[in-house]
Amino acid sequence: GQQVMQIPQYQHVQEGEDFTTYCNSSTTLSNIQWYKQRPGGHPVFLIQLVKSGEVKKQKRLTFQFGEAKKNSSLHITATQTTDVGTYFCAGDNQGGKLIFGQGTELSVKP
Amino acid sequence: DTEVTQTPKHLVMGMTNKKSLKCEQHMGHRAMYWYKQKAKKPPELMFVYSYEKLSINESVPSRFSPECPNSSLLNLHLHALQPEDSALYLCASRPYLREWSGELFFGEGSRLTVL
Repeated sequence: GQQVMQIPQYQHVQEGEDFTTYCNSSTTLSNIQWYKQRPGGHPVFLIQLVKSGEVKKQKRLTFQFGEAKKNSSLHITATQTTDVGTYFCAGDNQGGKLIFGQGTELSVKP
Repeated sequence: DTEVTQTPKHLVMGMTNKKSLKCEQHMGHRAMYWYKQKAKKPPELMFVYSYEKLSINESVPSRFSPECPNSSLLNLHLHALQPEDSALYLCASRPYLREWSGELFFGEGSRLTVL
């Protein structure tokens, strides 16, 4: 079945350092989405990537979708304490089955 | 209104009880999801409804019974649960027009404890 792998599981950074999380699917995806979940909260949508090789930016966040539409990455430049949380990718197949990766928990030391 | 409302926020039940979780959205979304999330784990897909019909069941045990009475409501009926079913149950809705695309709007979840 469809599997979505995400690494690393944890990332501890000093404020101001960069952060990257990687996502890899066992199958070709119709799109990939990224979510952020704060401790005690629910997942909140960040972005959706649809096209092969697509790159999107949201302020300090850069999202990429691989050429084969099987992998993706999220890069945060100059982390801030407000970036703390768990970042999940979610792979979408044609049937609407959105499968979440294991998530990367980001902690930021001021 | 861009909210998905889940009730109750917290539920404690015994293994012989019958209870239900409710989810409501008024965004006109025609796809609704149930996910289960344990601590420090990702949301795990349980069920997907599209146009009030069950389209995906991820081999969920029959002690969980979903129901979609109309396009705005989604229920999860619980019966004879086990302590390992204790988790955060997340409902989400999603626009579904001609193709599957678009973000999931999550509710805040129902935290279930099975004694």
